[in-house]
Amino acid sequence: AQSVTQLGSHVSVSEGALVLLRCNYSSSVPPYLFWYVQYPNQGLQLLLKYTSAATLVKGINGFEAEFKKSETSFHLTKPSAHMSDAAEYFCAVSYKLSFGAGTTVTVRA
Amino acid sequence: DAGVIQSPRHEVTEMGQEVTLRCKPISGHDYLFWYRQTMMRGLELLIYFNNNVPIDDSGMPEDRFSAKMPNASFSTLKIQPSEPRDSAVYFCASSFQKGYGYTFGSGTRLTVV
Repeated sequence: AQSVTQLGSHVSVSEGALVLLRCNYSSSVPPYLFWYVQYPNQGLQLLLKYTSAATLVKGINGFEAEFKKSETSFHLTKPSAHMSDAAEYFCAVSYKLSFGAGTTVTVRA
Repeated sequence: DAGVIQSPRHEVTEMGQEVTLRCKPISGHDYLFWYRQTMMRGLELLIYFNNNVPIDDSGMPEDRFSAKMPNASFSTLKIQPSEPRDSAVYFCASSFQKGYGYTFGSGTRLTVV
C-alpha cells in the first residue's frame, strides 16, 4: 500500500523566513504525490501535484516541491513565509489520496 | 464553477438517529470521494466512486455507514444509527481523472450527542 509520512507535526517560522515541510513516501510504483493546504474550518485546497513529469513542481502561493526518488521524498518549500501561510499542510500519495498526519505552520511576525 | 457543494455545513444529532450527508460534485468529474477527518485518525478515505459506481468501500468503518451515487451530480453518505464516535468532519471531493488532483468541498461537521 502507498503511504506518506510527514516529519514534524508543527513548524514555526518567522515572517520572511524559509518554509520547509517534509514528506517521505512509500510506494512500489511511480507515485502520484500531492500537497494540500487546509485553513481553519475550511476544506482542503490543492497546492501542487507530481505526476511523473518534471521533478520540481511549482504550485500556488509561491510554494514548490521537489520529487527525489533516491530519497523517496517530496518536501514542500516556500522561500519567504507570509502571515497568510499559517495553516495545516497535508502530503498525500496515490490517486486515492492516502494522507499524511499533517503539519501545522505558524508564522511569527 | 461553484465547486464541490456539500450540505449541510453543520449537523447536530442525537445518538441513534439517521444522518444523511449530501454532495454535489463538479460537473464533468467522473470520480467522487468521501473522506472523514478527526483529530485522532486524521483524514481517512471512506469510499470512492467512478462514473457513479462504487469502486472501493474498504474504508467504510462498519455497516452503519452506506453511500450512494444515483447520478453524476449527487451522492449521499448515510449513517444509521449514528453514534458519538461518528462525530467528525466529512469531506466530499471530486476529480475528472485519476491523479489529477481533487477539489474538496467545505465539509460537513457532524456532532452526535
